[in-house]
Amino acid sequence: NAGVTQTPKFRILKIGQSMTLQCAQDMNHNYMYWYRQDPGMGLKLIYYSVGAGITDKGEVPNGYNVSRSTTEDFPLRLELAAPSQTSVYFCASSWSAGGNIQYFGAGTRLSVL
Amino acid sequence: AQTVTQSQPEMSVQEAETVTLSCTYDTSESDYYLFWYKQPPSRQMILVIRQEAYKQQNATENRFSVNFQKAAKSFSLKISDSQLGDAAMYFCAYRTPNAGGTSYGKLTFGQGTILTVHP
Repeated sequence: NAGVTQTPKFRILKIGQSMTLQCAQDMNHNYMYWYRQDPGMGLKLIYYSVGAGITDKGEVPNGYNVSRSTTEDFPLRLELAAPSQTSVYFCASSWSAGGNIQYFGAGTRLSVL
Repeated sequence: AQTVTQSQPEMSVQEAETVTLSCTYDTSESDYYLFWYKQPPSRQMILVIRQEAYKQQNATENRFSVNFQKAAKSFSLKISDSQLGDAAMYFCAYRTPNAGGTSYGKLTFGQGTILTVHP
């Protein structure tokens, strides 16, 4: 029972580099989310998707892009990394909205130096 | 927009004792869901308990229970018989029932409360 799998677990980037954070879920969930967690803070929504081919911006989308070509995968792309993107990134999924539980991955710790 | 406030940055409790973590929220909606998530040092977000706003009965999961006061917009978490494994950051979160508009089923999180359990 893998649930939500995120890779990599840790990454250090130089300013201006790009990378893709991978997220995969095996629960056939329609809804997927990307959050970021800054030190000592709660999580904030970056992007979300309600199904394959459908994505939209959350609260803090600047500097990121996403795609959702399959139900299982929801990668997050960072273009031109900046120190402000140093954070822990969480991917989550749920069957739908409302009371349905969001299941989280283990997170990716990203440092931009 | 909904906001969630956890006014206790840190709390501590002795093993086997009871501790209560506070959470207040602001919303104009009448139907919504509230959650408590636990984040241990491993960073994994783990659901502790869920409350549906239309249910007056407080949710309970083993040693974890909530005190849901809808009129006061308060949602506190009580941990009974605290164990060393309960030490973690605890987040209160709000979620609307609808996926449309600007809600999109996202969770709105509080700032978190760090719980320390002393042996």
